[in-house]
Amino acid sequence: GDSVTQMEGPVTLSEEALLTINCTYTATGYPSLFWYVQYPGEGLQLLLKATKADDKGSNKGFEATYRKETTSFHLEKGSVQVSDSAVYFCALSDLAGSEKLVFGKGTKLTVNP
Amino acid sequence: NAGVTQTPKFQVLKTGQSMTLQCAQDMNHEYMSWYRQDPGMGLRLIHYSVGAGITDQGEVPNGYNVSRSTTEDFPLRLLSAAPSQTSVYFCASSYQQGPGETQYFGPGTRLLVL
Repeated sequence: GDSVTQMEGPVTLSEEALLTINCTYTATGYPSLFWYVQYPGEGLQLLLKATKADDKGSNKGFEATYRKETTSFHLEKGSVQVSDSAVYFCALSDLAGSEKLVFGKGTKLTVNP
Repeated sequence: NAGVTQTPKFQVLKTGQSMTLQCAQDMNHEYMSWYRQDPGMGLRLIHYSVGAGITDQGEVPNGYNVSRSTTEDFPLRLLSAAPSQTSVYFCASSYQQGPGETQYFGPGTRLLVL
């Protein structure tokens, strides 16, 4: 079945550091890929998405590129802020099971001033 | 728009008790779903609905019932709570079913079963 593997945390960075959170996937079809973010005490909200190979999703300085050849969707940000402290979830949805989001386990990011 | 709302925010139950977690959305979304979030497990789909009167099981449906009598509401029922159902529950909705659709999540209900 479909699955998502993302790097385990927690990740602790200093403000203005470079962030990379790795995400790889296994899917039978051609999935859409997502990054969701969960700020403390809140529900999940969409950060960015890509629906086909080589697409780049971007939002709030975060980027991720859909790499079909490496089945990856790594999240990057050039300079993190304290306000980026949150849990980040990589997820996929494919045509065969389009009613279902398959999530990675989440990566907790803490940014220190 | 209020978006997706969930009540209660926190609940403590004793084993064997029943309760209903409420979920409502005011965005006229056809698709609604329930997930549970457990430490180190990500989110797992419990039940989902593609429209009023239509529901189906997700990955972990045992111990939970749902119904969808209106477009706006999608309650989740625990008929006989068990400690294994201690979790954080999230309701989500989207405009339609499809692999690229963005799902909108509620703030969650934290449930503790003793």
